[in-house]
Amino acid sequence: GQNIDQPTEMTATEGAIVQINCTYQTSGFNGLFWYQQHAGEAPTFLSYNVLDGLEEKGRFSSFLSRSKGYSYLLLKELQMKDSASYLCATMDSNYQLIWGAGTKLIIKP
Amino acid sequence: DTAVSQTPKYLVTQMGNDKSIKCEQNLGHDTMYWYKQDSKKFLKIMFSYNNKELIINETVPNRFSPKSPDKAHLNLHINSLELGDSAVYFCASRPKADYTQYFGPGTRLTVL
Repeated sequence: GQNIDQPTEMTATEGAIVQINCTYQTSGFNGLFWYQQHAGEAPTFLSYNVLDGLEEKGRFSSFLSRSKGYSYLLLKELQMKDSASYLCATMDSNYQLIWGAGTKLIIKP
Repeated sequence: DTAVSQTPKYLVTQMGNDKSIKCEQNLGHDTMYWYKQDSKKFLKIMFSYNNKELIINETVPNRFSPKSPDKAHLNLHINSLELGDSAVYFCASRPKADYTQYFGPGTRLTVL
């Protein structure tokens, strides 16, 4: 079966660093995506990991461990505009995305 | 602008009515999707079209029917709307050589 777990909500302070974890169990695996979704808006692509390791893209980094079924999204130098939901999604053997419920990140001044 | 667009952005209607949501992408992508996002924020795949062929059809009631007149359009028609159909519906597309999906702005459907 397919199962993706991520925390429902996290709070962090402007300028700080936050790590959002995602664990998954899937019947097939072709990579993991992170998307950002601001309230009332569409999800937008952040990162895609298919091999183990860390991918860095500006203030955002994403890590994958396939053996552990684990990923995290690391956000540095947090800004108020980073307040959003962060969605973890795995791509199964049919290249279909299976989505987690998202982590709502609240940034406080 | 190159993008995925949807109309309408908001749709309020009575139970039992039939409605359509339109989606267009001018990105030249080969595959298009319809998702439903409920109040708990789960995104659930409903349909996928690749070169006008339905390639995914999850356990969606047959009241929902996708229609693709050409590669750039994938419309969603819903018959006999029910209260439980209230949600945000997102259209998305992706290119052939990339698995990244690009989403439209969403259509918030409210069934009264």
